[in-house]
Amino acid sequence: DTEVTQTPKHLVMGMTNKKSLKCEQHMGHRAMYWYKQKAKKPPELMFVYSYEKLSINESVPSRFSPECPNSSLLNLHLHALQPEDSALYLCASSQDDLAGTDTQYFGPGTRLTVL
Amino acid sequence: AQSVTQLDSQVPVFEEAPVELRCNYSSSVSVYLFWYVQYPNQGLQLLLKYLSGSTLVKGINGFEAEFNKSQTSFHLRKPSVHISDTAEYFCAVSGSSGYSTLTFGKGTMLLVSP
Repeated sequence: DTEVTQTPKHLVMGMTNKKSLKCEQHMGHRAMYWYKQKAKKPPELMFVYSYEKLSINESVPSRFSPECPNSSLLNLHLHALQPEDSALYLCASSQDDLAGTDTQYFGPGTRLTVL
Repeated sequence: AQSVTQLDSQVPVFEEAPVELRCNYSSSVSVYLFWYVQYPNQGLQLLLKYLSGSTLVKGINGFEAEFNKSQTSFHLRKPSVHISDTAEYFCAVSGSSGYSTLTFGKGTMLLVSP
């Protein structure tokens, strides 16, 4: 099973709302990632968790708050977002290390629209 | 630090024709190279990767790529494309020393028409 699942598939929220994105993998991977992808652009790395600890935060605004409750689950909590935060949010996972050799497995993404 | 340049933003091609998608990289250390494909409204899927060894790498769906260290290139090729190959293709690089994550190129849209 090489599947990464993400819920919801689509999300529309107002600027005052609080919502969460969920990502799950059952491949035993110990590294998990959040990416943001705008239309016609490559994915931009937001956060990396390694062994359930936040390893990399790419200077993401605090209105995005990641959480890794266990090794299979990754959440992204959203609060007071701006319209420019509308994008496809991709979750990925890889075997364990960040040495650069591992394949990252991507979920289908959550299409977020901020009104 | 490393970077990736995909020279073509869009490549139109007819079905059953060969195609080459170009990728050049720069890095101060040895690198690992990847090609990912993204079909419309989907996540990314690995096509192939080069870590070491043979410079010709074969991937899924009939794609292959050749690592050329002297030209710092990792071009993707397919001898005969299908309509279903229409997608965005991303070249990516990660460094081989220390803590490393993927750096993506801007992507090349492959448009296959009948």
